[in-house]
Amino acid sequence: GENVEQHPSTLSVQEGDSAVIKCTYSDSASNYFPWYKQELGKRPQLIIDIRSNVGEKKDQRIAVTLNKTAKHFSLHITETQPEDSAVYFCAADRGSTLGRLYFGRGTQLTVWP
Amino acid sequence: ETGVTQTPRHLVMGMTNKKSLKCEQHLGHNAMYWYKQSAKKPLELMFVYNFKEQTENNSVPSRFSPECPNSSHLFLHLHTLQPEDSALYLCASSQTGSNQPQHFGDGTRLSIL
Repeated sequence: GENVEQHPSTLSVQEGDSAVIKCTYSDSASNYFPWYKQELGKRPQLIIDIRSNVGEKKDQRIAVTLNKTAKHFSLHITETQPEDSAVYFCAADRGSTLGRLYFGRGTQLTVWP
Repeated sequence: ETGVTQTPRHLVMGMTNKKSLKCEQHLGHNAMYWYKQSAKKPLELMFVYNFKEQTENNSVPSRFSPECPNSSHLFLHLHTLQPEDSALYLCASSQTGSNQPQHFGDGTRLSIL
């Protein structure tokens, strides 16, 4: 099956700085890569996703890049704010009709004011 | 967002009890999922239902029994659970097919005494 590795496990940044979270995957058949944000005591929420036919996608302060050759994808958050503090999960989908997502272990992001 | 609703939010039960978790989605999706979220571990997929048919059982012990009476409702029946089953149980839904984002409920925090 697919194996998704996520780094770092914890990340602390100063408000206004950028944060980068990286994930690698093992199965070259994977073609869909969503990112979820989970605040304490709340549900995981989809914040951005990318499909394998594009290399980068941006939504305001959040961007995701994908390198299919190297089998890694990254989440970039610019101008971080304290409300960005949460656990972020990456995931990969091998493209089966079952919609099976393989998740990374998560990154605890803390943004200090 | 109230697209996926889970009840109860919290559940404390003894190892000999029988209880059920409920999930309902109002998004018109036709695939539903149960995940287990434990501290320091990736989200673990337990079951997948596609058009009410169970399409994946991810080696889950028989003390967990899912039921999907229709595409909007999903249950997880629990009996004779173990302390290591204490976790957050998350329900999600999506459209059938690959590359479809999954939408999560708030989860049920389960504690086994």
